[in-house]
Amino acid sequence: GDSVTQMEGPVTLSEEAFLTINCTYTATGYPSLFWYVQYPGEGLQLLLKATKADDKGSNKGFEATYRKETTSFHLEKGSVQVSDSAVYFCALSDGPNAGGTSYGKLTFGQGTILTVHP
Amino acid sequence: ETGVTQSPTHLIKTRGQQVTLRCSSQSGHNTVSWYQQALGQGPQFIFQYYREEENGRGNFPPRFSGLQFPNYSSELNVNALELDDSALYLCASSNTGRSSYEQYFGPGTRLTVT
Repeated sequence: GDSVTQMEGPVTLSEEAFLTINCTYTATGYPSLFWYVQYPGEGLQLLLKATKADDKGSNKGFEATYRKETTSFHLEKGSVQVSDSAVYFCALSDGPNAGGTSYGKLTFGQGTILTVHP
Repeated sequence: ETGVTQSPTHLIKTRGQQVTLRCSSQSGHNTVSWYQQALGQGPQFIFQYYREEENGRGNFPPRFSGLQFPNYSSELNVNALELDDSALYLCASSNTGRSSYEQYFGPGTRLTVT
């Protein structure tokens, strides 16, 4: 079945440092890929997405590129802020080619806790 | 545009009891999905409702059931609660027909089973 693997956390950085959170996936068909962010005590917010190979999703300074050859969707940000401290989840959605029965179920990684210090 | 809302925010139940959680989808969305997020884990897909029918189910037992209403709102019912059912329950809405299957989440209901 589909699966998503994220780098082990937690990740602790100083403000303005470069961030990379690794994400790899296993899926049949052509999934869409997402990064969601969860702030303490809140639900999930969609951060960015990519729907096909070589697409780059970006939002709020975060970027991720859909790499089909390496089955990866690593999250990057050039300069993190204290306000970026949260849990980040990589996820995939089975696409319309998944055996004709796709319905957009999201499969999540285990999450990576990011803490940014001033 | 109104976002996804869930009620109640928190709930404490005793093992063996039954619980109903509610979700109102984002305006313009016709599909609701439910997820269970145990502490320190990623969300796990429970099931999805589209046009008032179950449209896919994850690896959860039949005591997890749901409903979708004509206004696209939804309920999640859990019977015979077990301690392991303690989790954050997330509802997500989407618009089936869009190829990206982008889902928008509510704030969740924190269920504690004692």
